[in-house]
Amino acid sequence: DGGITQSPKYLFRKEGQNVTLSCEQNLNHDAMYWYRQDPGQGLRLIYYSQIVNDFQKGDIAEGYSVSREKKESFPLTVTSAQKNPTAFYLCASSHGGNSNQPQHFGDGTRLSIL
Amino acid sequence: AQSVSQHNHHVILSEAASLELGCNYSYGGTVNLFWYVQYPGQHLQLLLKYFSGDPLVKGIKGFEAEFIKSKFSFNLRKPSVQWSDTAEYFCAVTSLNSGGYQKVTFGTGTKLQVIP
Repeated sequence: DGGITQSPKYLFRKEGQNVTLSCEQNLNHDAMYWYRQDPGQGLRLIYYSQIVNDFQKGDIAEGYSVSREKKESFPLTVTSAQKNPTAFYLCASSHGGNSNQPQHFGDGTRLSIL
Repeated sequence: AQSVSQHNHHVILSEAASLELGCNYSYGGTVNLFWYVQYPGQHLQLLLKYFSGDPLVKGIKGFEAEFIKSKFSFNLRKPSVQWSDTAEYFCAVTSLNSGGYQKVTFGTGTKLQVIP
């Protein structure tokens, strides 16, 4: 079954620690995205990548970093510079190059601060 | 700048009532419009989309939406809701930016609660 796998489902971070959220897709999609979902604020775009070895900042990229070394993988690192990291993080993918393509979402990772 | 507004944050309806959720967007160029749904405990999934042609689009589970260009709106409708429609609904708009990248913007979501 094709889809997007996010891990872990729950993650706890200590103050000052970097943590990495995993996102893998086997849909052969070119484009991948990371969103942060907070109550009452909907989904806000953190980073996106249209092709391997290329990525762009979204609306709230500060305190986050990404890499895209493989087409199927788009890990997100929440750095210690992100002062309010507690949120639900969603990864998505789509066929790239055309804005009429819908996004496919993973089940999300809930990050909390200890 | 591209933006999406969903004015209804929380809607409570009885079963068999009709539903209309508002979505307005702002963008000067060509856009594609989507509605996504997130059922409790499940991942976000596509409900319907519009990118050209007939402005009235039909999606899964009896939902439909009408694109009204003059009003910059893409409201979601269903004639008769069911308890199983209880979920959070997100409107989204996409466009291609000058670099050829797909720019995606989501609304803040509307929580629909259907009472049996």
